[in-house]
Amino acid sequence: ETGVTQSPTHLIKTRGQQVTLRCSSQSGHNTVSWYQQALGQGPQFIFQYYREEENGRGNFPPRFSGLQFPNYSSELNVNALELDDSALYLCASSSGTSGGASPPFFGPGTRLTVL
Amino acid sequence: QKEVEQDPGPLSVPEGAIVSLNCTYSNSAFQYFMWYRQYSRKGPELLMYTYSSGNKEDGRFTAQVDKSSKYISLFIRDSQPSDSATYLCAMSYNSNSGYALNFGKGTSLLVTP
Repeated sequence: ETGVTQSPTHLIKTRGQQVTLRCSSQSGHNTVSWYQQALGQGPQFIFQYYREEENGRGNFPPRFSGLQFPNYSSELNVNALELDDSALYLCASSSGTSGGASPPFFGPGTRLTVL
Repeated sequence: QKEVEQDPGPLSVPEGAIVSLNCTYSNSAFQYFMWYRQYSRKGPELLMYTYSSGNKEDGRFTAQVDKSSKYISLFIRDSQPSDSATYLCAMSYNSNSGYALNFGKGTSLLVTP
């Protein structure tokens, strides 16, 4: 059983550019959520996808968008990058069922630096 | 006021000590409570998961939830240098289609040999 994987491991962008981060969920998991973790802070919930639809969103602007694919993998897109977007971006997967979901398991993260 | 409060530390203890980590929260709607361990520059690793009030034990780890006081704890017995990491508490409202976790800032723990 493979865990949650993310790519790339790290990348550097300049202000105003766009970035796409990718996540493959753990085998058997159909729910993917994304978090932003600034240095020295706890992760902040960005949004969640369940069966290819967004079903929850945190306090992030519309320039943060995402997709979930039929194989439950997911993308996070950030447009018009700002310096404050520099952070570790974490993907987590869980299994959503009618009886309740498993707790989220996190990937290793993508470290984004915006210059 | 943040919904989840956690003392960032750092907390330094000698090897073999019992470690107590705590979080308080303000929203009584939280039902699911988790503890994650995060090593430097890595993703969080799930340690403990509990629903509602009570205790749960797993090896050297014990999680406690007191919903009446809005207070959760993680105890680590016989602490080891390999336990040195940041410990994050997290909680959420529901689970039917997954979780949206609310995290504390994390407590940095150092276990010295």
